[in-house]
Amino acid sequence: DTAVSQTPKYLVTQMGNDKSIKCEQNLGHDTMYWYKQDSKKFLKIMFSYNNKELIINETVPNRFSPKSPDKAHLNLHINSLELGDSAVYFCASTPNRDRGHGYTFGSGTRLTVV
Amino acid sequence: ILNVEQSPQSLHVQEGDSTNFTCSFPSSNFYALHWYRWETAKSPEALFVMTLNGDEKKKGRISATLNTKEGYSYLYIKGSQPEDSATYLCAFFTFGGSQGNLIFGKGTKLSVKP
Repeated sequence: DTAVSQTPKYLVTQMGNDKSIKCEQNLGHDTMYWYKQDSKKFLKIMFSYNNKELIINETVPNRFSPKSPDKAHLNLHINSLELGDSAVYFCASTPNRDRGHGYTFGSGTRLTVV
Repeated sequence: ILNVEQSPQSLHVQEGDSTNFTCSFPSSNFYALHWYRWETAKSPEALFVMTLNGDEKKKGRISATLNTKEGYSYLYIKGSQPEDSATYLCAFFTFGGSQGNLIFGKGTKLSVKP
C-alpha cells in the first residue's frame, strides 16, 4: 500500500499542451506539497495545501495550478507546457504544518516536454 | 534568500569506512532541520527531524547532531555499507514569508564500494 502515490510516473508531451499530474495520500495527513526537482537537482517548493487551503505559492508561473478536491488529493495542472517545464515533480505530505514532522514523498513524475 | 549548503557534494568510501557530511543553514528564524536519504529511482525518505540546539539523533549506524547557534548539522555514518549508497539531503524548516516550508540543500551523494 503506497502512502503517497503519483500518476503518471512518466509523461512525455508536446509544447503547448495542457496536462495534469495526480497525487493521493492515504496517511490522513493535513498538508500536501508539490516540489520540482530542477536541472541542478535542487528540490524547490511549488505549492502547499493545508487541509485544502493553499498556503504558499513560490513564484510559480500561473500556468501551474494546484487543485485539491479533498485533503487526500493534490493535483497539479499545467497549461501551455513549455520546454523549461521538463523536470521531475514530487508530491509530499506531512501530518500538519508543525515543524516536527518529516515529509513523506511520492516516487515522482518525470515530465518531458518536446 | 535562504540558502542551505551541503558538503561535500559527493563522497566515495570503502565498505567499513566511517564518514560524515555537513549541512549549513541560516542561524536565524530556526524551527527545525530535517535529514533525508534518497536512493536512486526512489523517493526521499525522512531520517531525522531535529528541533533543539544540541540535539543528537541516531538510527542504527547513522547519527546526526545539530548546532542552531552556528547554523550547522553533521550526519555521521559508522561502518559504511554498500546499501548506504544514496544522496543525503538536509532541509531547513522555517516559518516566514513562506508560512512554513522546507528549504532543501543539493545533497551529498555517497557511494560505498564493497
